[in-house]
Amino acid sequence: AQSVSQHNHHVILSEAASLELGCNYSYGGTVNLFWYVQYPGQHLQLLLKYFSGDPLVKGIKGFEAEFIKSKFSFNLRKPSVQWSDTAEYFCAVEPQDTGRRALTFGSGTRLQVQP
Amino acid sequence: NAGVTQTPKFRVLKTGQSMTLLCAQDMNHEYMYWYRQDPGMGLRLIHYSVGEGTTAKGEVPDGYNVSRLKKQNFLLGLESAAPSQTSVYFCASSRHRTGVYEQYFGPGTRLTVT
Repeated sequence: AQSVSQHNHHVILSEAASLELGCNYSYGGTVNLFWYVQYPGQHLQLLLKYFSGDPLVKGIKGFEAEFIKSKFSFNLRKPSVQWSDTAEYFCAVEPQDTGRRALTFGSGTRLQVQP
Repeated sequence: NAGVTQTPKFRVLKTGQSMTLLCAQDMNHEYMYWYRQDPGMGLRLIHYSVGEGTTAKGEVPDGYNVSRLKKQNFLLGLESAAPSQTSVYFCASSRHRTGVYEQYFGPGTRLTVT
């Protein structure tokens, strides 16, 4: 079975700082990769996704992520964070070679951006 | 277009009581899912459905049952609630289209079992 690790549980940054959140997964086959964001009191929303092709994926609100297959990683980045980016961020993976179409989530990273 | 809706938003149960959580989607999605979210553990899949009349177990199915009698609805039942089932429950749906799809999530149901 696949698993997802998000090593940063709580990150505190000042506005305009750069952000990188780590995500590593364990699965031997081909995967689809996602980053979801959950703003306080709200439901999960998709930030970006990777299925195939260019390993550098751009999402909404200036976020991007890079898939490095050799490292089983899909780290999320943003050059300059804003106070409104305060939220919890979840990495998720889904094997392409099973029929299940269900996501395995990491434990999440809580990002706090200070003005 | 309301997307994915969940009923109720909050509920408090006593140990041993039963309840049903309702998830509805108006996007004509084939796939639907129930997750639970616990602090420090992310979301874990309880059950899912790949179409009307079909259900399957996820990662943490014990103590829950589901039904998908209509394509747009996915019900999650707790027959005898336990304090360990205190959690936030999220429903999601997705289109069955090879290669490109994403899951859309509902607003969640916060359940407390005392």
